[in-house]
Amino acid sequence: QKEVEQDPGPLSVPEGAIVSLNCTYSNSAFQYFMWYRQYSRKGPELLMYTYSSGNKEDGRFTAQVDKSSKYISLFIRDSQPSDSATYLCAMSGGSGAGSYQLTFGKGTKLSVIP
Amino acid sequence: EAGVAQSPRYKIIEKRQSVAFWCNPISGHATLYWYQQILGQGPKLLIQFQNNGVVDDSQLPKDRFSAERLKGVDSTLKIQPAKLEDSAVYLCASSLRKGQETQYFGPGTRLLVL
Repeated sequence: QKEVEQDPGPLSVPEGAIVSLNCTYSNSAFQYFMWYRQYSRKGPELLMYTYSSGNKEDGRFTAQVDKSSKYISLFIRDSQPSDSATYLCAMSGGSGAGSYQLTFGKGTKLSVIP
Repeated sequence: EAGVAQSPRYKIIEKRQSVAFWCNPISGHATLYWYQQILGQGPKLLIQFQNNGVVDDSQLPKDRFSAERLKGVDSTLKIQPAKLEDSAVYLCASSLRKGQETQYFGPGTRLLVL
């Protein structure tokens, strides 16, 4: 079992739809959870950053972390064509020298159709 | 604030040739990372520098890959000799300090080994 599992999609939705992206993980030491957005031929950019369990909202984006289920989600409300990108979950935590290193999911490719 | 710079953006070489990538992190960022992102996968950490010292290179294939960060600023990643399976995007990222800091990614160098 890989440390971080993410459905690669692709996911295609109409403009205005609510999008739900998810990752599961196996390492209970993870405490920091991130979502990166990666446009084609660009580097990843940080979208959301959450520590431990709970919800965090930023505009149209909501990140949820359920540590008991080892499950994280990213919701995008009122999706726009400009949201079309690959979304990568990433996480880190634990103790020792490698605790801050990011472990990424495979990424989910999202297309928002006008 | 200028972002992470990488060059070249694209490189095509034949197997067994050598190649080098260059990264200039965000000014003042002490920590620098090199990631390998194979098509359809999330980034995988190759090596991490703190200033000009190596923090972790456990996933760097040292028989063919090398990296250095002289003077604690710019960094180069070299592959010699290249194999077909090295075809990937090589991403450089930097963060202010070691630890749970936001990592900022460059645009990457897309390598194709024929």
